[in-house]
Amino acid sequence: QVQLMQSGAEVKKPGASVKVSCKASGYTFSNYGVNWVRQAPGQGLEWVGWISAYNGNTNYPQKLQGRVTMTTDTSTSTAYMELRSLRSDDTAVYFCARRYGDYDDYWGQGTLVTVSS
Amino acid sequence: DIQMTQSPSSLSASVGDRVTITCRASQNIHSYVNWYQHKPGKAPKLLIYAASTLQSGVPSRFSGSGSGTDFTLTISSLQPEDFATYYCQQNYMPPITFGQGTRLEVK
Repeated sequence: QVQLMQSGAEVKKPGASVKVSCKASGYTFSNYGVNWVRQAPGQGLEWVGWISAYNGNTNYPQKLQGRVTMTTDTSTSTAYMELRSLRSDDTAVYFCARRYGDYDDYWGQGTLVTVSS
Repeated sequence: DIQMTQSPSSLSASVGDRVTITCRASQNIHSYVNWYQHKPGKAPKLLIYAASTLQSGVPSRFSGSGSGTDFTLTISSLQPEDFATYYCQQNYMPPITFGQGTRLEVK
């Protein structure tokens, strides 16, 4: 069965970086993309970006351009999301999801990233 | 960016009720809308994709309709497990955007 297993919670200071992993199993990793979505406390869902596991192409929202980098390691079927220059408003639960065409059909369990001095 | 305006923001209903949630896009997005259910501490769950296609395994009491700018999610007969927050998502063009969510609560 398809599963996405994310890395554990992180606590970071403002200005630091965080790298969240998302290990996929149960399907051919390189045949799909990976979307990343976050939810800040008490807020709705916000798109963080997308990466193709086939060719590494990425697409990020303008507000995160320059601070976010998504990569994949096809040898371990793992996707990574790195966010730099962390601010308090980056505090959120970060989800990875398998992108199948134009929708996200399987999701990871979420990773809480807390940015606090 | 395409704005997705979802209404209502919250809704109180009872088991067995019929519930409708709407989402309006700021421009024509054809049928590039998905609907997700999200419960606290859980991963979002895909319910409907391409505006009206029921995801495999999702109960048939969930349905979606619409095209262009106006979309609806309907739950025909609410069950206890349906109390959650619901989001629409547009995929017509990046950046992918979500509605602000509809919190469905027990009356």
